[in-house]
Amino acid sequence: DADVTQTPRNRITKTGKRIMLECSQTKGHDRMYWYRQDPGLGLRLIYYSFDVKDINKGEISDGYSVSRQAQAKFSLSLESAIPNQTALYFCATSDPGRQQQFFGPGTRLTVL
Amino acid sequence: QQQVKQSPQSLIVQKGGISIINCAYENTAFDYFPWYQQFPGKGPALLIAIRPDVSEKKEGRFTISFNKSAKQFSLHIMDSQPGDSATYFCAASKQAGTALIFGKGTTLSVSS
Repeated sequence: DADVTQTPRNRITKTGKRIMLECSQTKGHDRMYWYRQDPGLGLRLIYYSFDVKDINKGEISDGYSVSRQAQAKFSLSLESAIPNQTALYFCATSDPGRQQQFFGPGTRLTVL
Repeated sequence: QQQVKQSPQSLIVQKGGISIINCAYENTAFDYFPWYQQFPGKGPALLIAIRPDVSEKKEGRFTISFNKSAKQFSLHIMDSQPGDSATYFCAASKQAGTALIFGKGTTLSVSS
């Protein structure tokens, strides 16, 4: 969905490096999410935020941190990247009144 | 513990045939059951969704069948087309609007 953008789209980094993935949305939604997709494992929730002052851990938050800089921006950080964090990362948004989530195009991250 | 179990992992269907993907859930507090469709290089997008107060929902060639007592729901794609070739995810969430719990996905290939 063009209303949810993610940068970068592709990133190759080395073990131990700090990396930030950014998500921006123009949908005006309060709720934002970060998911990780691995082949055969589906999408797993890393963190979610229901508003700027609300941050919640998801199923697999270890090794990750997030920042909600504004209603429209939600960043995911890997403080010290490791190879098993190689995956596709998706940001999503939703309206509190509705459960449908809108996904960004994804960031393909490779940790060498 | 996998809260949403999806099968099969992959599916090959002839053009014009019926594609059927099944999901089972554990948590009876779930009250929203969407199916997402994902094309290569894209983020998932909502295809169709159902709530447990109905047993079936149809939108064009796509139908969700829901069995509350068995805690199962399925996606049926009638008259499958090559353009339907994608990965399909079932998911579930609670009324409180927490994040979606996804199944592991089914890769559908429709041969022409």
